[in-house]
Amino acid sequence: QQQVRQSPQSLTVWEGETAILNCSYEDSTFNYFPWYQQFPGEGPALLISIRSVSDKKEDGRFTIFFNKREKKLSLHITDSQPGDSATYFCAASNTNTGKLTFGDGTVLTVKP
Amino acid sequence: DMKVTQMPRYLIKRMGENVLLECGQDMSHETMYWYRQDPGLGLQLIYISYDVDSNSEGDIPKGYRVSRKKREHFSLILDSAKTNQTSVYFCASSYRNQNTLYFGAGTRLSVL
Repeated sequence: QQQVRQSPQSLTVWEGETAILNCSYEDSTFNYFPWYQQFPGEGPALLISIRSVSDKKEDGRFTIFFNKREKKLSLHITDSQPGDSATYFCAASNTNTGKLTFGDGTVLTVKP
Repeated sequence: DMKVTQMPRYLIKRMGENVLLECGQDMSHETMYWYRQDPGLGLQLIYISYDVDSNSEGDIPKGYRVSRKKREHFSLILDSAKTNQTSVYFCASSYRNQNTLYFGAGTRLSVL
């Protein structure tokens, strides 16, 4: 049973639009949710994260919306830029174990 | 300069050969990880190491073993490699009580 699910698998938006990437999870003990960004040929890098005590986290053009009751979260990228084209991974963990579980990723393409 | 270094970056091996993937970090992080990434499957945790000689299985440890004799160095060993171990392998590290993982650039392994 997959613990972290992401949708869509791929997403294409035009420059300036808002991209919305979705994530859901199964384990109710998960309390930390980072999003990682990966460019081709590189390792993933932390983009933004949220803890389960919050319902929103903003960092510039990137915002996480978190719904604990529904076990869902989403990453909104406003004013999308071609340089945002990458694979985005939603991940989840219980901070006691330190084990991060990753979703399968969403490939975002931003067209100029 | 905070860095996770993986060697080699590319490796081709024949089925049945032994494989050694090496990872180093210069941040004195206690915890280190090995993940594999396959197309459409995200990142799967192979092993986690909480410190020297303190290793724990991840979600897919079968066919792999690890060695951590120094805090800054973590090795992944494939004894008698199989073709289904063809993948991109990522090493990561983090402080024990923090959840931010720093990833290396990956090793692309092909087992023929």
